Amino acid sequence: KAGVTQTPRYLIKTRGQQVTLSCSPISGHRSVSWYQQTPGQGLQFLFEYFSETQRNKGNFPGRFSGRQFSNSRSEMNVSTLELGDSALYLCASSGGTGTEGYTFGSGTRLTVV
Amino acid sequence: AQSVTQLGSHVSVSEGALVLLRCNYSSSVPPYLFWYVQYPNQGLQLLLKYTSAATLVKGINGFEAEFKKSETSFHLTKPSAHMSDAAEYFCAVSETGGFKTIFGAGTRLFVKA
Repeated sequence: KAGVTQTPRYLIKTRGQQVTLSCSPISGHRSVSWYQQTPGQGLQFLFEYFSETQRNKGNFPGRFSGRQFSNSRSEMNVSTLELGDSALYLCASSGGTGTEGYTFGSGTRLTVV
Repeated sequence: AQSVTQLGSHVSVSEGALVLLRCNYSSSVPPYLFWYVQYPNQGLQLLLKYTSAATLVKGINGFEAEFKKSETSFHLTKPSAHMSDAAEYFCAVSETGGFKTIFGAGTRLFVKA
């Protein structure tokens, strides 16, 4: 079966712009989680969605937001980009119990200049 | 609150030698524990998971991990390293109902010929 698909694969944006990243989970998975990965901070949890509802969120400013659609596809948005937002953004899908482990996408590499 | 500590940001072994990557966790409830592997420019891949069924867990690619509650540890081992094992490895913990997985800082494994 198809894996987790993240688009785009690479992005270059200018400070102050906004960006939207997309994630299509594995068919049948209703939970999508987003993580930010940087060399200095490692993997930081952004938020988790299940059946279009945000069930948990990490300690990120309000510039980071997300949503999930009825087909389980998810998007995350970052507004007013800062240089520090440069990172690999990873999407992970699962069945939704929070305990079965994730299937990750390949990520979107965002560079803010 | 749950947390994960991986001892050693870099581990170097010779091909054919034992691989031992250390992980200690903190959790207020019985945890679910995971090991993931990440190859360059890719997302994370689940190696194995502990869900209380058995303390010794076998995963893919010949890896296994042992849950030791008394030591709050979940170390990852492989009897004989292969060049293809060179990657970054992440230990992670999750709690029922938390809908969030916390990752350790990662350990980069180098395999020498």
